[in-house]
Amino acid sequence: NAGVTQTPKFQVLKTGQSMTLQCAQDMNHNSMYWYRQDPGMGLRLIYYSASEGTTDKGEVPNGYNVSRLNKREFSLRLESAAPSQTSVYFCASSADLGLSSYNEQFFGPGTRLTVL
Amino acid sequence: KQEVTQIPAALSVPEGENLVLNCSFTDSAIYNLQWFRQDPGKGLTSLLLIQSSQREQTSGRLNASLDKSSGRSTLYIAASQPGDSATYLCAVKGSYKLSFGAGTTVTVRA
Repeated sequence: NAGVTQTPKFQVLKTGQSMTLQCAQDMNHNSMYWYRQDPGMGLRLIYYSASEGTTDKGEVPNGYNVSRLNKREFSLRLESAAPSQTSVYFCASSADLGLSSYNEQFFGPGTRLTVL
Repeated sequence: KQEVTQIPAALSVPEGENLVLNCSFTDSAIYNLQWFRQDPGKGLTSLLLIQSSQREQTSGRLNASLDKSSGRSTLYIAASQPGDSATYLCAVKGSYKLSFGAGTTVTVRA
């Protein structure tokens, strides 16, 4: 039981290049999320997927696209990377998006992305 | 918009001292509050989750309290150890997402 896994762990891009960050979970969770973490700031939600087949924008979606490939996998794509997208990206999952007071999110180890 | 604040940003204590970490939030309409630990260069590990109906939650040396009406939570770590050195993040759950504080970085000196 690996929980939430992310690939790659590290990536360096040049401005304008594209790439896809991969995330998978093996907890049979319905909901998945992408966050970014910048120094001195809390994690900010980029996109989320309430369930397979649905995706929605979070707080900072500009410059990103997502795909919920199936129940297990949720990918984040940078079409034309910019230096402002240098950050640590975390994927998370939870049982559902329901308004439950016990709805814990579980996080992956992160992808450290540098855009030159 | 929910704003989550953690003060202080950094804390250094001698081994054995009790740690008190504070978290405040502006909108009391939350479903739960989670405390996470983050080691340098690593992901987030969930420590405790307090449901909105609860006042506190305990796990080993950790105790977290929640006062929804005043928008505050406190994480207590008893008898701190060097292995407790990490960044501690609190996050409150709104309708669909977690809103995070920037974290408190703790150093426990041996």
